[in-house]
Amino acid sequence: ETGVTQSPTHLIKTRGQQVTLRCSSQSGHNTVSWYQQALGQGPQFIFQYYREEENGRGNFPPRFSGLQFPNYSSELNVNALELDDSALYLCASRPSGTNTGELFFGEGSRLTVL
Amino acid sequence: GENVEQHPSTLSVQEGDSAVIKCTYSDSASNYFPWYKQELGKRPQLIIDIRSNVGEKKDQRIAVTLNKTAKHFSLHITETQPEDSAVYFCAAGLPGGSGYALNFGKGTSLLVTP
Repeated sequence: ETGVTQSPTHLIKTRGQQVTLRCSSQSGHNTVSWYQQALGQGPQFIFQYYREEENGRGNFPPRFSGLQFPNYSSELNVNALELDDSALYLCASRPSGTNTGELFFGEGSRLTVL
Repeated sequence: GENVEQHPSTLSVQEGDSAVIKCTYSDSASNYFPWYKQELGKRPQLIIDIRSNVGEKKDQRIAVTLNKTAKHFSLHITETQPEDSAVYFCAAGLPGGSGYALNFGKGTSLLVTP
């Protein structure tokens, strides 16, 4: 078991609303990244946080924002929701102090925008 | 930015046969190439990875090959079993910050029939 947990597992929002998704990474994992996975597609990199600072970002607009807290838990916030934001949002963490590139994914939060 | 192309999108093989999935990438700076397996409704899980200083890596029935000059890499699964049925994603990673931001292919749905 990877120990990465996400909440909520499913949620439904309407266009224009805002949503906050949460991730709790395993103890000792100080890097967290978020990915968007549309149906039938591969995960797309949104951004990465290391020691509470964003240190990498994919091709997503500023209405996608995030936070990482001192306990290494993390949030993904999406403002002004659009229909195309409907997707599975995956949080992934990486252990510190290792040379591995392996990402440990959570089960995801499935967002439906109506 | 990095663009990862993956083929085929679907692959059906008989139990015991081999399966090969191919990926190409565009950014010569990418130096980390993992493969993830995602079963239906589950999180992606790393099955094997390779770095650009290595041409081939094997782990039991799974092998990955990398051709840096041609910018392509492949996953080989031998003696396939029904439990190998899943969606497989290749990815290319660029080092940055404390880790790699991964660019994923669109996935290959592998079906192994008994």
